[in-house]
Amino acid sequence: DSGVTQTPKHLITATGQRVTLRCSPRSGDLSVYWYQQSLDQGLQFLIQYYNGEERAKGNILERFSAQQFPDLHSELNLSSLELGDSALYFCASSVYPGGLGELFFGEGSRLTVL
Amino acid sequence: DQQVKQNSPSLSVQEGRISILNCDYTNSMFDYFLWYKKYPAEGPTFLISISSIKDKNEDGRFTVFLNKSAKHLSLHIVPSQPGDSAVYFCAASGAVRGGADGLTFGKGTHLIIQP
Repeated sequence: DSGVTQTPKHLITATGQRVTLRCSPRSGDLSVYWYQQSLDQGLQFLIQYYNGEERAKGNILERFSAQQFPDLHSELNLSSLELGDSALYFCASSVYPGGLGELFFGEGSRLTVL
Repeated sequence: DQQVKQNSPSLSVQEGRISILNCDYTNSMFDYFLWYKKYPAEGPTFLISISSIKDKNEDGRFTVFLNKSAKHLSLHIVPSQPGDSAVYFCAASGAVRGGADGLTFGKGTHLIIQP
């Protein structure tokens, strides 16, 4: 158990819809990262928050947004969903703001868009 | 453009033998490298890391080698055990840049340990 909690574990929805994925980081971790893993792809970095502030953006689509709340949990909002958004979405947390040190990953949220 | 490449999607090794997983990177700003292991239905878990000031780091059965001039790193598992069967991801970070863009991951290598 990494200590990172992601909900829901599985989600099936239709094209055009909007979903919210939730992540609770490990106790004490201030950084939250979101990654997307599509079929046959590695983990694609989407966005990072540190202590409530956006710190870095990766390949995140404009239809996607995220935020980190004062209690440090984070939400990833995916809107106007397309078939290609079907993927496994991982949240990870770490103590450090930067890339040093290991990231602790949740079990992922599997999104299926039909 | 893949900045971290794992060219072998899968690798099969006999139990007790050495497993060697390879990773190449293109971004010369990367200076911290990690290996993660992932079992089905679980998130990736950290395995071992190496800083660019070193060329080798060892932790039990796991050793990571870094060849900066070739922009290549490898993970050696000796001896390989059935529980090592998993997907292994190579990841890189630019600590000099503050690593603020998160880790860059390869596509992973599925290691299968044959009994």
